[in-house]
Amino acid sequence: AQKVTQAQTEISVVEKEDVTLDCVYETRDTTYYLFWYKQPPSGELVFLIRRNSFDEQNEISGRYSWNFQKSTSSFNFTITASQVVDSAVYFCALSDGSGNTGKLIFGQGTTLQVKP
Amino acid sequence: EAQVTQNPRYLITVTGKKLTVTCSQNMNHEYMSWYRQDPGLGLRQIYYSMNVEVTDKGDVPEGYKVSRKEKRNFPLILESPSPNQTSLYFCASSLSYSLEQYFGPGTRLTVT
Repeated sequence: AQKVTQAQTEISVVEKEDVTLDCVYETRDTTYYLFWYKQPPSGELVFLIRRNSFDEQNEISGRYSWNFQKSTSSFNFTITASQVVDSAVYFCALSDGSGNTGKLIFGQGTTLQVKP
Repeated sequence: EAQVTQNPRYLITVTGKKLTVTCSQNMNHEYMSWYRQDPGLGLRQIYYSMNVEVTDKGDVPEGYKVSRKEKRNFPLILESPSPNQTSLYFCASSLSYSLEQYFGPGTRLTVT
């Protein structure tokens, strides 16, 4: 069965600190897709990144970076020099390639609080 | 502006009174889906649609209906709402089922 685990329920940091959000996934598929979404206090879900299972290159986008490691089934997300506006719930999600349903399996989310 | 819109954003209703939550996207996306978000249960898929006239059940379809008569619209219908359908509902769309999904702003439904 497919599963996404975000072991960190809540993280609190002070502004300008770096923070890493962990994501571990389980799937038997060889083709799959991984995503990160942000849910700010306003409630909407904002897409951050997509990775397919054949692309293990790490990615950096401004203060955001992602580390995908198939060997440990992890897809971790790091925010460098955090800001108050980064406060949100962050979801890691997995979509299978074999079922072709597009269904996103979400982790339980990590609530990040960035204090000024 | 490329977006997914949902209406209404907030709704309080009573048990058994049929309701429809509309979802519309202006990105010419083929794939659309509905999720519900509940404390402790997270986000779960209700229904999805690969294209016009093609819909299928997600993980929690009981009590819901959908239709996809036009590419841009994917309404969620609750024929006889019950209190256990009180939830935050999100519509999403994507160019393809394997690509990133863009979510609407959410509809907070309360059934009393």
